[in-house]
Amino acid sequence: GENVEQHPSTLSVQEGDSAVIKCTYSDSASNYFPWYKQELGKRPQLIIDIRSNVGEKKDQRIAVTLNKTAKHFSLHITETQPEDSAVYFCAVGVKGYNKLIFGAGTRLAVHP
Amino acid sequence: NAGVMQNPRHLVRRRGQEARLRCSPMKGHSHVYWYRQLPEEGLKFMVYLQKENIIDESGMPKERFSAEFPKEGPSILRIQQVVRGDSAAYFCASSPARTENTEAFFGQGTRLTVV
Repeated sequence: GENVEQHPSTLSVQEGDSAVIKCTYSDSASNYFPWYKQELGKRPQLIIDIRSNVGEKKDQRIAVTLNKTAKHFSLHITETQPEDSAVYFCAVGVKGYNKLIFGAGTRLAVHP
Repeated sequence: NAGVMQNPRHLVRRRGQEARLRCSPMKGHSHVYWYRQLPEEGLKFMVYLQKENIIDESGMPKERFSAEFPKEGPSILRIQQVVRGDSAAYFCASSPARTENTEAFFGQGTRLTVV
């Protein structure tokens, strides 16, 4: 089955810096790659997603890039703010239905 | 649209008791996915159900865990004879049909504590 690896597990940046989180996956048939943000005690919330027919997608300070050949995708957050501090999860959609396989998460801390 | 509703939000059970977690999907959604999140870990897929059918239960532990989604009413995740290792947050998500590549809408989760 699909296997998703996420790095780094923790990331500490200064406010205003950029943050990059990377994920690799194993099943070349996978074609849906969402990113979720989870604050302490809350549900995961979708922040951006990308499908395999595009290589990059951007939404204000957040962007995701996808390299299908290498089977990896990355989340980029620019101009980080303290409120970006949270745990971020990548996920891969299993082909055929809406089942998601999640990475282990990255705990991002943005220091003022 | 009230979104995906889960209850209870918090559940405390003693070892050996049963836990029942409920999930009502978004209006118009007939497919439900359950995930478990152990402390300090990512979400792990447990089971995928549509009304009256289990489609994929590859993530369910072989014993003590069961799930259903009856024709009427919410989906139920049932854990019998709970142990401390069952303490976790349990999230469900719903989708309108057997779709792929669409956003998963998560409920608020049920935080189970086994004492």
